[in-house]
Amino acid sequence: SQKIEQNSEALNIQEGKTATLTCNYTNYSPAYLQWYRQDPGRGPVFLLLIRENEKEKRKERLKVTFDTTLKQSLFHITASQPADSATYLCALDGDRDDKIIFGKGTRLHILP
Amino acid sequence: DTGVSQDPRHKITKRGQNVTFRCDPISEHNRLYWYRQTLGQGPEFLTYFQNEAQLEKSRLLSDRFSAERPKGSFSTLEIQRTEQGDSAMYLCASSLSESSPLHFGNGTRLTVT
Repeated sequence: SQKIEQNSEALNIQEGKTATLTCNYTNYSPAYLQWYRQDPGRGPVFLLLIRENEKEKRKERLKVTFDTTLKQSLFHITASQPADSATYLCALDGDRDDKIIFGKGTRLHILP
Repeated sequence: DTGVSQDPRHKITKRGQNVTFRCDPISEHNRLYWYRQTLGQGPEFLTYFQNEAQLEKSRLLSDRFSAERPKGSFSTLEIQRTEQGDSAMYLCASSLSESSPLHFGNGTRLTVT
């Protein structure tokens, strides 16, 4: 069955540095991949969507890459700020259907 | 704000009782999703709708769970004979179409005592 893996450990990054989060998937080939941010007690908020024919996408300080050979997406936050501290979720469309499934998320702490 | 709204925000119930949650999606969105989330985990897919048609229901869901979306507008999720293991955050999301981003509500937190 399809599987999504994100860094299960929390990630601590010094303010101003680039934070890089990883999303790996197995057993299928999604047509697109999404990244969401979630703050405690709130629903996830959409950040970026990248399609299988796109290598990279940017939005302000955010950059996402999608390597369909490695079955991996990297999510970068440049010039990180304490306000970027949150849980970041990777999501993919399902295999043979189009429901959206999520990874467990990675907690990111930006240290001042 | 015309985002996704969920009601109630919090629900405490005794084991064995039935509960019903409501989700009002963004008005022009055709797709509506229900997810369940426990602490430290990502949202777990429960079911989704295209307009009023329920397209898929997770095999993880027991027959105690049912969802409806009459007339393709708001949706309800009912849990019958609640168990302590049902305690979680129940999230609703809507999207304009297949492959569009999901817009989430802030969830209903269920506690079963």
